[in-house]
Amino acid sequence: KAGVTQTPRYLIKTRGQQVTLSCSPISGHRSVSWYQQTPGQGLQFLFEYFSETQRNKGNFPGRFSGRQFSNSRSEMNVSTLELGDSALYLCASRNLRGTQEDEQYFGPGTRLTVT
Amino acid sequence: EDQVTQSPEALRLQEGESSSLNCSYTVSGLRGLFWYRQDPGKGPEFLFTLYSAGEEKEKERLKATLTKKESFLHITAPKPEDSATYLCAVHRGQAGTALIFGKGTTLSVSS
Repeated sequence: KAGVTQTPRYLIKTRGQQVTLSCSPISGHRSVSWYQQTPGQGLQFLFEYFSETQRNKGNFPGRFSGRQFSNSRSEMNVSTLELGDSALYLCASRNLRGTQEDEQYFGPGTRLTVT
Repeated sequence: EDQVTQSPEALRLQEGESSSLNCSYTVSGLRGLFWYRQDPGKGPEFLFTLYSAGEEKEKERLKATLTKKESFLHITAPKPEDSATYLCAVHRGQAGTALIFGKGTTLSVSS
């Protein structure tokens, strides 16, 4: 089974621009979560989508948004980029089968650099 | 406030020198505790899930255990290829909430 894929892998943007990152989950996984990872803050949750609906959202400003398509693929968008948005953006998918929490499987990430 | 604390931040071992990494947590209603391994520039790789106190899981040289307040990742006779950052994350009681990650322990194993 193919793993979680993310595109692009690397991105350089200028302050004020916007960016869209893409994530394809493991086949059969309907839940997709996004995380931001920085050296200072570690891994921080952005949002989770399940069946095209946002299921949960972290404490990030409204400049960060996402969506999920009917094939479970997801995109996240960051508008009006700031220098502090430079980070590794990770996507994770999981199965959500039952009452226990299923493990999340992460993609390789998109390294975003804002100059 | 829900919190996950990992210690030590960094650990240097000689090949074959066993040790343990700690993950202490304060969450309301634990639904699962997860261990991940992350290599530089890559996404976290899933290792274990633990659901209840007393549970243990093993994989090669790694063994994860869980109590009501903390989890340990025991590394037996480590090899240089075990060098990585090990992340602990918890999922608390309310369904639909996110994983809360610790800052990780960076393990370096030298030959």
